[in-house]
Amino acid sequence: SQKIEQNSEALNIQEGKTATLTCNYTNYSPAYLQWYRQDPGRGPVFLLLIRENEKEKRKERLKVTFDTTLKQSLFHITASQPADSATYLCALNTNAGKSTFGDGTTLTVKP
Amino acid sequence: DGGITQSPKYLFRKEGQNVTLSCEQNLNHDAMYWYRQDPGQGLRLIYYSQIVNDFQKGDIAEGYSVSREKKESFPLTVTSAQKNPTAFYLCASSTARTGSGYGYTFGSGTRLTVV
Repeated sequence: SQKIEQNSEALNIQEGKTATLTCNYTNYSPAYLQWYRQDPGRGPVFLLLIRENEKEKRKERLKVTFDTTLKQSLFHITASQPADSATYLCALNTNAGKSTFGDGTTLTVKP
Repeated sequence: DGGITQSPKYLFRKEGQNVTLSCEQNLNHDAMYWYRQDPGQGLRLIYYSQIVNDFQKGDIAEGYSVSREKKESFPLTVTSAQKNPTAFYLCASSTARTGSGYGYTFGSGTRLTVV
């Protein structure tokens, strides 16, 4: 069956370090993959999208990689800040046009 | 400013009642989606629509119904057949072009509680 796994429910790091979140999938052939940030009680906010033929995408302190052989995406936040504390969701899209979401990883950045 | 508006923010439903959650967008997006989120979990797709007057079931459509009579509006009805409706409901919209690069725009959600 199709499955999306995000590495752990919670990740705690020290301010200034790089946070690395993992999204693994099985039995999918995604056309592209997205990452979202969600704060408590709010809707997710779109961060980055990476296509199947792209290896890496960057936006300010954010970097996403996509390895279709390993069936894995890594999401990095460099020079992390307490304001980066939130839940981060990955979502896979096939060409059918709908997104399937992972359960999310809650990141806490401690000062 | 363009965006997507969900109402109400909080909704209480009695056993056996149908309730309707509103979702309106002024982004001129073709596609709209309804997701359900339970505590500590990801989003599960209820229904989606890629064009006016057409919609498809998602992974957990039982006990829910939708309509798409206007491009801007995609209301969700939670029927009495939905046995466990207490959850956070999220509406989203996007351009219909696959991989357009812009992702989904989400509303701020409706928290539904059965009393």
